[in-house]
Amino acid sequence: GAGVSQSPRYKVAKRGQDVALRCDPISGHVSLFWYQQALGQGPEFLTYFQNEAQLDKSGLPSDRFFAERPEGSVSTLKIQRTQQEDSAVYLCASSLVKQETQYFGPGTRLLVL
Amino acid sequence: LAKTTQPISMDSYEGQEVNITCSHNNIATNDYITWYQQFPSQGPRFIIQGYKTKVTNEVASLFIPADRKSSTLSLPRVSLSDTAVYYCLVGAFTGGGNKLTFGTGTQLKVEL
Repeated sequence: GAGVSQSPRYKVAKRGQDVALRCDPISGHVSLFWYQQALGQGPEFLTYFQNEAQLDKSGLPSDRFFAERPEGSVSTLKIQRTQQEDSAVYLCASSLVKQETQYFGPGTRLLVL
Repeated sequence: LAKTTQPISMDSYEGQEVNITCSHNNIATNDYITWYQQFPSQGPRFIIQGYKTKVTNEVASLFIPADRKSSTLSLPRVSLSDTAVYYCLVGAFTGGGNKLTFGTGTQLKVEL
């Protein structure tokens, strides 16, 4: 079966540009997570959705970061006015609501010049 | 969340058993121990999870002593394809929504 997919896989943006990163979770997975992974570091939590409800956004680094999941399936992470420090891999993960295993997508590598 | 400490890197050769130990001195009563594996340009992949004693699946074993202040991931007969970063995570898993807290992980390099 299909796993978690993310697009684009690579994105180069000029500083100040807005970007949108897409995540397609595993079908039927209620929980969806976004993580940010800097080079040489482990992933860090950004935000969590249960269906369409964003229940935890404590990891979003600034108000330039915005995530949505309007129909409880596909999610989009938007970064406004990108800065060089936003350069990282953005990972999406999904899980069934009563199972703890999170399945990760391949990530989107964002480079802000 | 309990902080974890694991070696930054380890080297091994094909066919050897590899043991990666993780320290988590302030683990809480309801915390589980989970290990993830990450290859370059891929997201982390769940390997194994346990609470106490020993857990074994088709790819690894997890040994947890009685005090639960450490754990050891054991990979039997590693191959080149096991070269990856391995993360030890500790946290309570009480339902959906449990965000994962990763450390810097252990870079395992397997050579011929």
